[in-house]
Amino acid sequence: QSVLTQPPSVSAAPGQKVTISCSGGRFNIGNNYVCWYRQLPGEAPKVVIYENDKRPSGISDRFSGSKSGTSATLAITGLQTGDEADYYCGTWDSNLGIGVFGGGTKLTVL
Amino acid sequence: QVTLRESGPVLVKPTETLTLTCTVSGFSLSNAGMGVSWIRQPPGKALEWLAHVFSNDEKASGASLRSRLTISKDTSRGQVVLTMTNMDPADTATYFCARKRDRATDFDQWGQGTLVTVS
Repeated sequence: QSVLTQPPSVSAAPGQKVTISCSGGRFNIGNNYVCWYRQLPGEAPKVVIYENDKRPSGISDRFSGSKSGTSATLAITGLQTGDEADYYCGTWDSNLGIGVFGGGTKLTVL
Repeated sequence: QVTLRESGPVLVKPTETLTLTCTVSGFSLSNAGMGVSWIRQPPGKALEWLAHVFSNDEKASGASLRSRLTISKDTSRGQVVLTMTNMDPADTATYFCARKRDRATDFDQWGQGTLVTVS
């Protein structure tokens, strides 16, 4: 069972907006930056959002992140079929001194 | 260009010890602030963080597996080694190594992963 909680799946039509939530606790999300990863089948995860709301170079501005308290949200606008992937949130737990991930959310673009 | 590459056995028997090596290039393990974690993913399941070695050689690992895990680094070789004892079929997974700056919370570079089957 993952430390951070994500919905198992979300779906939306092309062109629409989708949000993925990530819920944690005081010592992980509450005290640390959140990162979001996209993972395509058979590939390693790749950062799409870091430090709550920053996009690495090469990541579309359709991707945005936010954090409030002990929860974080990834938003993807203008959905494309190429956005279909598994998305994971992650951070560090400063009380336990360990890395933590969410259980992953499968995004389907209908 | 930063790369990380995992290597090790693809098949281990139950009760055996697994040794995986992560070879890095494009950055140095002796650089202040650069650390490497091991993360695994059972088939069809979520990511699970396992262990981390910081730039100052401090280590961290998850409580549930701590008794079975050892992480170490050889800075001169640019390698981070993970050993996991008493392997079980439930440990079948793709094992990734990934880079994290000491003060960061994100893993900014990942290896391609290596699938280890315990059978």
